[in-house]
Amino acid sequence: GQQVMQIPQYQHVQEGEDFTTYCNSSTTLSNIQWYKQRPGGHPVFLIQLVKSGEVKKQKRLTFQFGEAKKNSSLHITATQTTDVGTYFCAGGNNRKLIWGLGTSLAVNP
Amino acid sequence: NAGVTQTPKFQVLKTGQSMTLQCAQDMNHNSMYWYRQDPGMGLRLIYYSASEGTTDKGEVPNGYNVSRLNKREFSLRLESAAPSQTSVYFCASSDWGPESEKLFFGSGTQLSVL
Repeated sequence: GQQVMQIPQYQHVQEGEDFTTYCNSSTTLSNIQWYKQRPGGHPVFLIQLVKSGEVKKQKRLTFQFGEAKKNSSLHITATQTTDVGTYFCAGGNNRKLIWGLGTSLAVNP
Repeated sequence: NAGVTQTPKFQVLKTGQSMTLQCAQDMNHNSMYWYRQDPGMGLRLIYYSASEGTTDKGEVPNGYNVSRLNKREFSLRLESAAPSQTSVYFCASSDWGPESEKLFFGSGTQLSVL
Protein backbone atom coordinates (compact mmCIF):
# COMPACT_ATOMS: atom_id res chain seq x y z
CA GLY A 1 0.00 0.00 0.00
CA GLN A 2 0.90 3.63 -0.14
CA GLN A 3 3.43 4.64 2.47
CA VAL A 4 5.30 7.71 3.56
CA MET A 5 8.47 6.88 5.44
CA GLN A 6 9.85 9.56 7.73
CA ILE A 7 13.33 9.59 9.23
CA PRO A 8 14.79 9.88 11.73
CA GLN A 9 12.25 8.80 14.32
CA TYR A 10 14.00 10.81 17.05
CA GLN A 11 16.63 13.51 17.08
CA HIS A 12 18.38 15.17 20.00
CA VAL A 13 20.32 18.33 19.27
CA GLN A 14 22.06 21.04 21.21
CA GLU A 15 20.46 24.43 20.94
CA GLY A 16 21.96 26.20 17.96
CA GLU A 17 22.56 23.04 15.93
CA ASP A 18 20.71 22.36 12.71
CA PHE A 19 18.04 19.69 12.26
CA THR A 20 16.62 17.92 9.23
CA THR A 21 13.81 15.42 8.84
CA TYR A 22 13.11 13.54 5.63
CA CYS A 23 10.03 11.99 4.09
CA ASN A 24 9.99 9.46 1.28
CA SER A 25 6.94 8.19 -0.49
CA SER A 26 6.48 4.95 -2.38
CA THR A 27 4.28 6.79 -4.89
CA THR A 28 4.21 10.17 -6.56
CA LEU A 29 2.42 12.73 -4.44
CA SER A 30 0.21 15.58 -5.55
CA ASN A 31 1.44 17.71 -2.68
CA ILE A 32 3.04 17.42 0.74
CA GLN A 33 2.04 19.08 3.95
CA TRP A 34 4.07 19.56 7.12
CA TYR A 35 2.69 19.77 10.63
CA LYS A 36 4.20 20.40 14.04
CA GLN A 37 2.87 18.91 17.25
CA ARG A 38 4.13 20.27 20.55
CA PRO A 39 4.25 17.83 23.49
CA GLY A 40 0.72 17.38 24.79
CA GLY A 41 -0.68 19.42 21.92
CA HIS A 42 -2.34 18.87 18.60
CA PRO A 43 -0.86 18.96 15.08
CA VAL A 44 -0.60 22.44 13.64
CA PHE A 45 -0.22 23.05 9.93
CA LEU A 46 3.10 24.57 8.88
CA ILE A 47 3.17 24.57 5.10
CA GLN A 48 2.08 22.88 1.89
CA LEU A 49 4.30 22.23 -1.14
CA VAL A 50 2.75 21.49 -4.49
CA LYS A 51 5.27 22.01 -7.27
CA SER A 52 8.10 19.71 -8.27
CA GLY A 53 11.38 21.01 -6.81
CA GLU A 54 9.60 23.63 -4.73
CA VAL A 55 11.48 25.26 -1.86
CA LYS A 56 9.79 27.42 0.74
CA LYS A 57 11.18 29.19 3.78
CA GLN A 58 9.60 30.28 7.02
CA LYS A 59 12.21 32.12 9.08
CA ARG A 60 14.63 29.37 10.19
CA LEU A 61 12.60 26.56 8.56
CA THR A 62 13.28 25.45 4.96
CA PHE A 63 10.95 23.02 3.23
CA GLN A 64 11.75 21.19 0.00
CA PHE A 65 9.71 19.02 -2.34
CA GLY A 66 11.67 16.67 -4.56
CA GLU A 67 11.79 16.85 -8.33
CA ALA A 68 9.96 13.54 -8.64
CA LYS A 69 7.42 14.59 -5.99
CA LYS A 70 8.24 11.51 -3.96
CA ASN A 71 10.33 13.04 -1.21
CA SER A 72 10.46 16.08 0.98
CA SER A 73 12.56 17.55 3.75
CA LEU A 74 12.26 20.05 6.56
CA HIS A 75 15.44 21.76 7.70
CA ILE A 76 15.66 23.93 10.80
CA THR A 77 18.67 26.21 11.10
CA ALA A 78 20.05 27.01 14.54
CA THR A 79 17.43 25.18 16.60
CA GLN A 80 15.85 26.82 19.60
CA THR A 81 14.04 25.27 22.56
CA THR A 82 10.79 26.47 21.05
CA ASP A 83 11.36 24.05 18.14
CA VAL A 84 10.78 21.05 20.44
CA GLY A 85 8.00 18.78 19.22
CA THR A 86 7.14 16.18 16.63
CA TYR A 87 7.20 17.09 12.97
CA PHE A 88 4.91 15.19 10.63
CA CYS A 89 4.81 15.11 6.87
CA ALA A 90 1.62 14.12 5.09
CA GLY A 91 1.48 13.40 1.39
CA GLY A 92 -1.56 13.96 -0.79
CA ASN A 93 -2.41 11.14 -3.14
CA ASN A 94 -5.63 10.04 -4.79
CA ARG A 95 -7.83 12.22 -2.59
CA LYS A 96 -6.18 10.91 0.56
CA LEU A 97 -3.55 12.19 2.95
CA ILE A 98 -0.84 9.68 3.85
CA TRP A 99 0.93 10.50 7.09
CA GLY A 100 4.50 9.83 8.05
CA LEU A 101 5.11 8.59 11.60
CA GLY A 102 6.82 11.82 12.59
CA THR A 103 10.22 12.90 13.84
CA SER A 104 10.44 13.89 17.49
CA LEU A 105 12.90 16.70 18.11
CA ALA A 106 14.44 17.36 21.50
CA VAL A 107 16.60 20.43 22.00
CA ASN A 108 19.07 20.67 24.86
CA PRO A 109 19.54 24.26 26.05
CA ASN B 1 -13.37 31.95 16.21
CA ALA B 2 -12.85 28.82 18.30
CA GLY B 3 -11.78 26.67 15.33
CA VAL B 4 -12.30 22.97 16.08
CA THR B 5 -13.73 22.15 19.50
CA GLN B 6 -13.66 18.63 20.93
CA THR B 7 -15.31 17.32 24.07
CA PRO B 8 -14.48 15.80 26.43
CA LYS B 9 -10.76 16.40 26.89
CA PHE B 10 -10.29 13.34 29.08
CA GLN B 11 -12.36 10.21 29.61
CA VAL B 12 -11.92 6.93 31.42
CA LEU B 13 -14.18 4.04 30.46
CA LYS B 14 -14.58 0.47 31.56
CA THR B 15 -14.45 -2.26 28.95
CA GLY B 16 -17.86 -2.58 27.30
CA GLN B 17 -19.05 0.92 28.08
CA SER B 18 -20.13 3.24 25.31
CA MET B 19 -19.46 6.88 24.72
CA THR B 20 -19.62 9.59 22.10
CA LEU B 21 -16.87 12.07 21.33
CA GLN B 22 -18.20 15.38 20.12
CA CYS B 23 -16.58 17.67 17.58
CA ALA B 24 -17.69 21.01 16.18
CA GLN B 25 -16.04 23.49 13.85
CA ASP B 26 -16.97 27.08 13.21
CA MET B 27 -14.98 27.65 10.02
CA ASN B 28 -17.73 26.55 7.64
CA HIS B 29 -15.56 23.68 6.45
CA ASN B 30 -17.01 20.96 4.29
CA SER B 31 -14.79 18.06 5.37
CA MET B 32 -14.28 16.63 8.84
CA TYR B 33 -12.16 13.78 10.15
CA TRP B 34 -11.51 11.61 13.16
CA TYR B 35 -7.97 10.42 13.83
CA ARG B 36 -6.44 8.38 16.60
CA GLN B 37 -2.85 8.79 17.71
CA ASP B 38 -0.89 6.05 19.46
CA PRO B 39 2.80 6.07 20.41
CA GLY B 40 4.92 5.04 17.46
CA MET B 41 1.90 4.77 15.16
CA GLY B 42 1.49 8.34 14.06
CA LEU B 43 -1.95 9.59 13.07
CA ARG B 44 -4.42 7.04 11.73
CA LEU B 45 -7.67 8.01 10.09
CA ILE B 46 -10.74 6.38 11.61
CA TYR B 47 -13.57 7.95 9.60
CA TYR B 48 -14.06 11.06 7.57
CA SER B 49 -16.89 13.06 6.11
CA ALA B 50 -16.11 14.74 2.84
CA SER B 51 -19.26 16.82 3.01
CA GLU B 52 -22.46 17.11 4.99
CA GLY B 53 -24.49 13.94 4.65
CA THR B 54 -21.61 11.65 3.71
CA THR B 55 -19.25 9.53 5.77
CA ASP B 56 -16.54 7.08 4.76
CA LYS B 57 -14.27 4.61 6.49
CA GLY B 58 -10.65 5.44 6.98
CA GLU B 59 -7.72 3.24 7.86
CA VAL B 60 -8.95 1.88 11.23
CA PRO B 61 -12.79 2.06 11.40
CA ASN B 62 -13.53 -1.16 13.32
CA GLY B 63 -15.24 -0.56 16.65
CA TYR B 64 -16.33 2.97 15.78
CA ASN B 65 -19.31 4.73 14.26
CA VAL B 66 -19.71 8.33 13.19
CA SER B 67 -22.46 10.80 12.55
CA ARG B 68 -22.23 14.00 10.55
CA LEU B 69 -25.02 15.75 12.37
CA ASN B 70 -24.81 18.92 10.28
CA LYS B 71 -22.10 20.91 8.58
CA ARG B 72 -20.59 21.95 11.90
CA GLU B 73 -20.68 18.74 13.91
CA PHE B 74 -19.10 15.32 13.49
CA SER B 75 -19.34 12.82 16.34
CA LEU B 76 -17.47 9.58 16.97
CA ARG B 77 -19.15 6.77 18.91
CA LEU B 78 -17.62 3.79 20.64
CA GLU B 79 -20.43 1.28 21.15
CA SER B 80 -18.52 -1.18 23.32
CA ALA B 81 -15.15 0.18 24.35
CA ALA B 82 -12.11 -2.10 24.39
CA PRO B 83 -8.65 -1.54 25.93
CA SER B 84 -7.24 -1.42 22.37
CA GLN B 85 -9.18 1.81 21.91
CA THR B 86 -7.13 3.57 24.55
CA SER B 87 -5.66 6.42 22.57
CA VAL B 88 -5.68 10.14 21.91
CA TYR B 89 -8.43 11.10 19.50
CA PHE B 90 -8.27 14.16 17.28
CA CYS B 91 -11.02 15.70 15.25
CA ALA B 92 -10.00 17.81 12.27
CA SER B 93 -11.62 19.80 9.52
CA SER B 94 -10.69 21.23 6.15
CA ASP B 95 -12.37 23.35 3.55
CA TRP B 96 -12.52 20.55 1.03
CA GLY B 97 -10.80 17.21 0.71
CA PRO B 98 -7.64 16.40 2.66
CA GLU B 99 -5.38 16.10 -0.35
CA SER B 100 -5.15 19.75 -1.16
CA GLU B 101 -6.37 21.55 1.91
CA LYS B 102 -4.66 21.99 5.23
CA LEU B 103 -6.26 20.38 8.23
CA PHE B 104 -7.26 22.21 11.38
CA PHE B 105 -7.13 19.98 14.45
CA GLY B 106 -8.99 20.07 17.72
CA SER B 107 -7.11 19.84 20.99
CA GLY B 108 -7.76 16.13 21.38
CA THR B 109 -9.49 13.68 23.70
CA GLN B 110 -7.38 11.40 25.84
CA LEU B 111 -9.34 8.17 26.29
CA SER B 112 -8.42 5.33 28.60
CA VAL B 113 -10.33 2.05 28.51
CA LEU B 114 -9.73 -0.16 31.54
